[in-house]
Amino acid sequence: ILNVEQSPQSLHVQEGDSTNFTCSFPSSNFYALHWYRWETAKSPEALFVMTLNGDEKKKGRISATLNTKEGYSYLYIKGSQPEDSATYLCAADSGGGADGLTFGKGTHLIIQP
Amino acid sequence: DADVTQTPRNRITKTGKRIMLECSQTKGHDRMYWYRQDPGLGLRLIYYSFDVKDINKGEISDGYSVSRQAQAKFSLSLESAIPNQTALYFCATSDSTGWTDTQYFGPGTRLTVL
Repeated sequence: ILNVEQSPQSLHVQEGDSTNFTCSFPSSNFYALHWYRWETAKSPEALFVMTLNGDEKKKGRISATLNTKEGYSYLYIKGSQPEDSATYLCAADSGGGADGLTFGKGTHLIIQP
Repeated sequence: DADVTQTPRNRITKTGKRIMLECSQTKGHDRMYWYRQDPGLGLRLIYYSFDVKDINKGEISDGYSVSRQAQAKFSLSLESAIPNQTALYFCATSDSTGWTDTQYFGPGTRLTVL
């Protein structure tokens, strides 16, 4: 089981501002890094999966980067909107099957109008 | 219609009762998982199954059992529920033929054990 840490635990951001948060994971025994978006009263939805060092993925105003050598990934949200309010989960995959996908505790993002 | 469904969505029960949570999927995925989510603890894996004849314990399997009745169905049982099993339970699926283990989650079951 990997040790996956996310920071900050929660974050309040003014509407229109940009923000970012971090997922750190062991750089050894790494296969892939997943980001999920989890809205209240809904189920987590996959945002991105990245495997290569230097990978960068983008979906609308949300993007993510990956550094496998130092064991971290950043999620960026540009021009935050109220609908971005959610908990963002990252999960590290060591490639060993189900027990290789370990979730962090999430960053709870609140966008204030 | 949702690809991954869970029943019931909410359940309140008493200590010592046997409870079954059910999960069905129409995604055609071979892998299925049960997680629980507790405030401040993230998602923790209870059991997982790679196909109908394959069952594996996850991080926190004590007090739980599972059954994979068919490729599309995976149920979680609490043989004798206790209050610290109060949590939000998620079922998830993934496709082993994909290059990554992206998981697709059901809507969750909120279980309260009194």
